[in-house]
Amino acid sequence: EVYLVESGGGLVQPGGSLRLSCVASGLTFNTRYWSWVRQPPGGGLEWVAIIYPNAKTYYRDSVKGRFTISRDNSENTIYLQMNSLRPDDTSLYYCASDVVSNDVDYWGRGTLVTVSS
Amino acid sequence: DVVMTQSPLSLPVTLGQPASISCRSSHSLVGSDGITHLTWFQQRPGQSPRRLIYQVSNRDSGVPDRFSGSGSGTYFTLKISRVEAEDVGVYYCLQGLYWPTFGGGTKVEIK
Repeated sequence: EVYLVESGGGLVQPGGSLRLSCVASGLTFNTRYWSWVRQPPGGGLEWVAIIYPNAKTYYRDSVKGRFTISRDNSENTIYLQMNSLRPDDTSLYYCASDVVSNDVDYWGRGTLVTVSS
Repeated sequence: DVVMTQSPLSLPVTLGQPASISCRSSHSLVGSDGITHLTWFQQRPGQSPRRLIYQVSNRDSGVPDRFSGSGSGTYFTLKISRVEAEDVGVYYCLQGLYWPTFGGGTKVEIK
């Protein structure tokens, strides 16, 4: 059975930082593409960042320079460091993975990030 | 960004009747590898998304065969041959040829 478990969400003030984590089990971590996809309350889905098996990274324009995705193959974990957070970053953040880029065959349950004063 | 336009926004359906959702892309989704990068997801209320269909028409393991995908280039369709109560939720298309973008979603509900 595959499990993706996110953690690290919470309430943060505008301009603050959070670090999200996603621990994976039940699949071959090293060879997979890993992403963060977010969903604002009552809204649709938005791809945030992706990290390739070779650690190459890509980001949506609105988070470039503020968010950093990384992976630790020894711990089967991916991270999303989020700095300079803004109210429009408020969302449920999903950890997502596939064996190819830009698709998802497994999703986590999400961790909620709320940016508000 | 590539814009994915879904219709309708809301789809009330009678149990046992068919349903069809359209997804139109602002750019062709056919890659240089000949693969068309179009995926369909289902998100039931209170749950994470679940992939139903990848590369236009390939059903994922465990997905009932009442779900089918079709289309080419810039126009795609997800069909449910006979809607069941468990099919209630929001359906999203995703293009993965460029920076990934989702359609706005179609909410399927029972009449």
